[in-house]
Amino acid sequence: EAQVTQNPRYLITVTGKKLTVTCSQNMNHEYMSWYRQDPGLGLRQIYYSMNVEVTDKGDVPEGYKVSRKEKRNFPLILESPSPNQTSLYFCASSSPGRFSYNSPLHFGNGTRLTVT
Amino acid sequence: ILNVEQSPQSLHVQEGDSTNFTCSFPSSNFYALHWYRWETAKSPEALFVMTLNGDEKKKGRISATLNTKEGYSYLYIKGSQPEDSATYLCAVDSWGKLQFGAGTQVVVTP
Repeated sequence: EAQVTQNPRYLITVTGKKLTVTCSQNMNHEYMSWYRQDPGLGLRQIYYSMNVEVTDKGDVPEGYKVSRKEKRNFPLILESPSPNQTSLYFCASSSPGRFSYNSPLHFGNGTRLTVT
Repeated sequence: ILNVEQSPQSLHVQEGDSTNFTCSFPSSNFYALHWYRWETAKSPEALFVMTLNGDEKKKGRISATLNTKEGYSYLYIKGSQPEDSATYLCAVDSWGKLQFGAGTQVVVTP
């Protein structure tokens, strides 16, 4: 089954303890991205990657890191989490294609992170 | 920062009625416009991706139009059903950098 898999689904941690949220897709998609969702603010893009070893900042990259060493994986790293990073996080992927950049996003199931 | 606005924020529709709502965005630096349907406790699901001015797309009772020159897109739901209850998100795609609106929450009552 074609899917985007995020882990963990729920995570409670303490301020300053490094954590990684994993994201993996099995659709051979070039494009992957991370979002956070906060009440009243909609989805905000954190980072995106157009292909392996290519990453770019979205609108809210502060406090986050990403890496794209393989096509299928795009982990989100919080080196020193803070309470303002408590949020619902989504990973998504798509295959823009070489000549037709109109491919929709496929979202993972989300990770609810609480930082105390 | 591009500002993507959706209106109204929420609306209540009687079953069987048709409805529409708007996504507005600055017309510069635009590549594509996405629409997603997001049900509570689930992940957003794609409805449409549109790139050309004048684009119209349809999926069952849901359709969308795009006007890139004036910077807006409409989403229409014809003959609303309770299963159409969800939050509808639009996003402006600037070659990989996406900005979402806050969504329009639609509640369809029997």
